[in-house]
Amino acid sequence: DGGITQSPKYLFRKEGQNVTLSCEQNLNHDAMYWYRQDPGQGLRLIYYSQIVNDFQKGDIAEGYSVSREKKESFPLTVTSAQKNPTAFYLCASGDSPYVNQPQHFGDGTRLSIL
Amino acid sequence: SQKIEQNSEALNIQEGKTATLTCNYTNYSPAYLQWYRQDPGRGPVFLLLIRENEKEKRKERLKVTFDTTLKQSLFHITASQPADSATYLCALTRQGGKLIFGQGTELSVKP
Repeated sequence: DGGITQSPKYLFRKEGQNVTLSCEQNLNHDAMYWYRQDPGQGLRLIYYSQIVNDFQKGDIAEGYSVSREKKESFPLTVTSAQKNPTAFYLCASGDSPYVNQPQHFGDGTRLSIL
Repeated sequence: SQKIEQNSEALNIQEGKTATLTCNYTNYSPAYLQWYRQDPGRGPVFLLLIRENEKEKRKERLKVTFDTTLKQSLFHITASQPADSATYLCALTRQGGKLIFGQGTELSVKP
């Protein structure tokens, strides 16, 4: 079955530690996105990539970094500079970076602070 | 800045009734608006997309309207079922395929 796989499902971060969230898709989509979801708030865009080896900052990129070395993979690193990292992180992909396309989501990674 | 608002209070309805969820937006004129369903601990699932020049779109028991004058979209579920209980998110489209999401409305359908 085609889809998006996020791992791990739960992740804990210690003070001063960087952690990396994995996102893999086998839908052959060009565009990929990372969102953060906090209770009572909508999804907020962290980073997005419209093509391999290219990515752009979203609305809340500070404290995060990404790479897009392969079409199917878009890992997100939460750095120690992100002071409030506790949230539900969602990865999505889209058939193209055009406005009339729906996005397909993984089932998220919940990050907590130890 | 662009803002999108959904009913913040949970919506509780009886099975068989029609659920109506509201999405209002300001400071923006999106070409498209999308609706998603999200179950607890899961990622959102796409339901419907409507263009700015479409007044209404239907899919089975779902109906979406898009009023660009009022800057509002309504999402209806007819003959609601307990399995329809979830959080429903509306999203406005931006250039480059990006989306702005509302905070979601939690729907609970009681048997």
